[in-house]
Amino acid sequence: QSALTQPASVSGSPGQSITISCTGTSSDVGGYNYVSWYQQHPGKAPKLMIYDVSNRPSGVSNRFSASKSGNTASLTISGLQAEDEADYYCNSYTSSTTYVFGTGTKVTVL
Amino acid sequence: EVQLVQSGAEVKKPGESLKISCKGSGYSFTSYWIGWVRQMPGKGLEWMGIIFPGDSNTKYNPSFQGQVTISVDKSISTAYLQWSSLKASDTAIYYCTMAADGIFWFDPWGQGTLVTVSS
Repeated sequence: QSALTQPASVSGSPGQSITISCTGTSSDVGGYNYVSWYQQHPGKAPKLMIYDVSNRPSGVSNRFSASKSGNTASLTISGLQAEDEADYYCNSYTSSTTYVFGTGTKVTVL
Repeated sequence: EVQLVQSGAEVKKPGESLKISCKGSGYSFTSYWIGWVRQMPGKGLEWMGIIFPGDSNTKYNPSFQGQVTISVDKSISTAYLQWSSLKASDTAIYYCTMAADGIFWFDPWGQGTLVTVSS
């Protein structure tokens, strides 16, 4: 069960938009609409940002959006703010009836 | 308020056993899956396994099968992650999290338990 592939780092200036990719296989990302995204600030527990590919939980800013095409899911943060600086992880249900995380992406606000 | 509260930090020696806990409150404990996630120092999240307290149905990431045991005690709404013989490479923060049956995302998360294994 290999981790989903994410870029190690993505950066942007305040107000800009950035996109984080999450690439898996037909046995995970491509096979199910069960991709979720988590934000983790240093020293904190992960926080759910997106579920079922593109849905935002209540309380999560609408600056966060997500989608999926084939075996790749994507998270977009628009209007980048200093508070968005954190690590982001995708997660997918798999055909083994378990779950797999992405490798994680460090977002830096320049 | 739905919350998961984990047991405190542990410092152990290689070869020792350990059981850490995750207590759920504010919801029906037997109706939600509890998952465990490892985060080694400076590294990413790794899915370890998941248990359904209602019937103790448990699924492990193959990488962790046989290395740890996930269990629950429904009477006290608590899930456990245990090791019979710790290794230095088990040093990590361990998080528990939850999902409703038939739901494939996890929220909320416990605060994490730091396990340090050192001679």
